[in-house]
Amino acid sequence: DGGITQSPKYLFRKEGQNVTLSCEQNLNHDAMYWYRQDPGQGLRLIYYSQIVNDFQKGDIAEGYSVSREKKESFPLTVTSAQKNPTAFYLCASSMEYYNEQFFGPGTRLTVL
Amino acid sequence: DQQVKQNSPSLSVQEGRISILNCDYTNSMFDYFLWYKKYPAEGPTFLISISSIKDKNEDGRFTVFLNKSAKHLSLHIVPSQPGDSAVYFCAASARGGANSKLTFGKGITLSVRP
Repeated sequence: DGGITQSPKYLFRKEGQNVTLSCEQNLNHDAMYWYRQDPGQGLRLIYYSQIVNDFQKGDIAEGYSVSREKKESFPLTVTSAQKNPTAFYLCASSMEYYNEQFFGPGTRLTVL
Repeated sequence: DQQVKQNSPSLSVQEGRISILNCDYTNSMFDYFLWYKKYPAEGPTFLISISSIKDKNEDGRFTVFLNKSAKHLSLHIVPSQPGDSAVYFCAASARGGANSKLTFGKGITLSVRP
């Protein structure tokens, strides 16, 4: 079964702690993306990667970091510098940079 | 500056009737448009897309219309079913351009009444 997995589904952290969200895909897609969804805000791009060992900032990258050491994996770290980290985080992938993106189930992060 | 706008936050229709979801864009470089459907606490799923070389694309109950001169597209769902109740996102991209990424609208919540 090909797809995108994100874990965990729900994540709770104390303020000031860094937290890493997992995203794995077995679709053999080159490009991967991280979005954040807030109520009434739609999907906003945090970071994206077109190829292994390369990534670019999206529209709201401040307070976040990523790595792309393997084609299948694109973990997102929410650092203590992110002022409003509580949100629903979505990972996506696509065969080419501008083709249809396929999304994972999302991770709900709550910072207490 | 919002480049993709979904100005109506919600829409309610009767089961069996047509649902029309609208989307406007401002960036004239956009040449590829997509609609996604999203249920609460789940990831969006791709629904239908259209290239700027077309003005209509149909897939079963779903049809997307593109009016390039007006920078407007719409998604028609006929007939609407209760399972269509979800948030619908419009997205756009400029293929091959420097800005080749998807830009999403804020979404429209569709409610289909039985």
